[in-house]
Amino acid sequence: NAGVTQTPKFQVLKTGQSMTLQCAQDMNHEYMSWYRQDPGMGLRLIHYSVGAGITDQGEVPNGYNVSRSTTEDFPLRLLSAAPSQTSVYFCASSYVSGRARETQYFGPGTRLLVL
Amino acid sequence: KQEVTQIPAALSVPEGENLVLNCSFTDSAIYNLQWFRQDPGKGLTSLLLIQSSQREQTSGRLNASLDKSSGRSTLYIAASQPGDSATYLCAVSVYNQGGKLIFGQGTELSVKP
Repeated sequence: NAGVTQTPKFQVLKTGQSMTLQCAQDMNHEYMSWYRQDPGMGLRLIHYSVGAGITDQGEVPNGYNVSRSTTEDFPLRLLSAAPSQTSVYFCASSYVSGRARETQYFGPGTRLLVL
Repeated sequence: KQEVTQIPAALSVPEGENLVLNCSFTDSAIYNLQWFRQDPGKGLTSLLLIQSSQREQTSGRLNASLDKSSGRSTLYIAASQPGDSATYLCAVSVYNQGGKLIFGQGTELSVKP
């Protein structure tokens, strides 16, 4: 298993540009989520999904969109990048219930710099 | 609103010491609590998960305890090694909200040879 994969690893954007951060998992996990990690703020939940076709907002959703058309993929879209979105973005997945009992598996992260 | 606090923010110990990292949370209505390790520039690796009905979990030199009533968890690392140097994060899963995690700010551990 590849686990949770994220692309790209690093990206530089100009203010106002849009982009999509990709996340995929091959563990057939129902639950997927996006976090951002900032110095002094810790990890904060952006959006999450409990299954294909179902998404919901987390703590800091403004400026981001998500969709979940398949179990495997959960892309995060930045609509119009702002310097405040400079951060490290992590995707995570888990079983909602069952033998793994919600152990969360994280991807390696995408480092985003908005100029 | 659930808040998670980790003390200390940073810790430096000589190799071989046993050490304890602390995590506290404000709302005892949690589904579970996880401890993660994060190496610089890397993602998070799950170390231990404690369900709300459990008191502790062990993996190798790591032991995590949970006291829901007092809102506290500890991560005990026995016989620390330089390879244990990393940031350790605890996170609670909010009750009845699937896998949503609320994280503490982490403890940065440095183990000196």
